Amino acid sequence: KAGVTQTPRYLIKTRGQQVTLSCSPISGHRSVSWYQQTPGQGLQFLFEYFSETQRNKGNFPGRFSGRQFSNSRSEMNVSTLELGDSALYLCASSGDRDYGYTFGSGTRLTVV
Amino acid sequence: QQQVKQSPQSLIVQKGGISIINCAYENTAFDYFPWYQQFPGKGPALLIAIRPDVSEKKEGRFTISFNKSAKQFSLHIMDSQPGDSATYFCAASSSLTGGGNKLTFGTGTQLKVEL
Repeated sequence: KAGVTQTPRYLIKTRGQQVTLSCSPISGHRSVSWYQQTPGQGLQFLFEYFSETQRNKGNFPGRFSGRQFSNSRSEMNVSTLELGDSALYLCASSGDRDYGYTFGSGTRLTVV
Repeated sequence: QQQVKQSPQSLIVQKGGISIINCAYENTAFDYFPWYQQFPGKGPALLIAIRPDVSEKKEGRFTISFNKSAKQFSLHIMDSQPGDSATYFCAASSSLTGGGNKLTFGTGTQLKVEL
């Protein structure tokens, strides 16, 4: 079956702009999580959505938000971009009774 | 607060050798311990995982050893191959109050397998 699909693969944005990233989970997976990966901070949990509701949230400022649609597809939004937001943003999906997360290839965001 | 400590940061192993990566955790609520492999330009891929009621799990050349009392777990890669050269992350997960769970990752180990 198809894996987790993230679009776009690469993005370059200017400070102060906003950006929206998209994630399509594995068919049948209702849990979608987002992680930020940077060389300095490693992999950090942003938030998790389940059945269109944010179920858990990490320690990121309110500029980072997300949503999930009825088909389980998810979007993540970052407003008022800062240079420090440059990172690989990873989406992962999981089945209802499964702790095993499958990650997408990520969106590489560069803020200039 | 770093809840999962991983070592070493980098590792060079000869082809056919054994690669060993160690992790230690603090939160006793963690109940699922996966290892992920990541190649450049790709997302992490689940390699193998273990729950704390088991002391060892083996899948092919990959083995997780788990020591609950010491709060430590390790990944052993037997007969290491150049294709195993990648970054490896340990992680730990626990159920959250609102349902679901989240992964807390170690800092990663860059493994290079030389011919």
